Amino acid sequence: EPEVTQTPSHQVTQMGQEVILRCVPISNHLYFYWYRQILGQKVEFLVSFYNNEISEKSEIFDDQFSVERPDGSNFTLKIRSTKLEDSAMYFCASRGDGDQPQHFGDGTRLSIL
Amino acid sequence: AQKITQTQPGMFVQEKEAVTLDCTYDTSDPSYGLFWYKQPSSGEMIFLIYQGSYDQQNATEGRYSLNFQKARKSANLVISASQLGDSAMYFCAMREVYNFNKFYFGSGTKLNVKP
Repeated sequence: EPEVTQTPSHQVTQMGQEVILRCVPISNHLYFYWYRQILGQKVEFLVSFYNNEISEKSEIFDDQFSVERPDGSNFTLKIRSTKLEDSAMYFCASRGDGDQPQHFGDGTRLSIL
Repeated sequence: AQKITQTQPGMFVQEKEAVTLDCTYDTSDPSYGLFWYKQPSSGEMIFLIYQGSYDQQNATEGRYSLNFQKARKSANLVISASQLGDSAMYFCAMREVYNFNKFYFGSGTKLNVKP
């Protein structure tokens, strides 16, 4: 069964550094998402992406964040000048057309030191 | 207002018994989808079951069923014959059709299955 893959599984970064989280959505999916889950807390929506542009973003998704789909397969989340509070699990998700569920990757655990 | 409310932060159930995890939602959109996801301690998010707002029958998927009560805006997950491997966090989520690019997640319920 096709799946969403995320790399790396764990990223450790010094505060103030930039980090890029990578995702390969399911190949025929059209909608892409990033979520964040701080340890022990709920899953928080960051951004959705469709037709090569951001379709919606939350208040968390400020100028520090950006997303790209640099080629036909990858979907990246860039965090500039990371802060301690950016430490969290970041999930990528994708879904097909219509009323389909989102399928999640296994997540990238980001630790900011 | 919260879009998705899960009022049970933690639940215990005896192995082989059934358990109901509560979820209520808030929307004025006439068309929406309701989803349940399982998150084991390993962290991944696993899709379990889906219910469309216009579906006449409650969704079922193996040991999972969704008790959909539209007038009460509730979408409870029922797990029959609990297994030890069911111990995990469970998240209820909703997608509004006219806001189709965004999912709303509840705060989750941690289910512990006792042997």
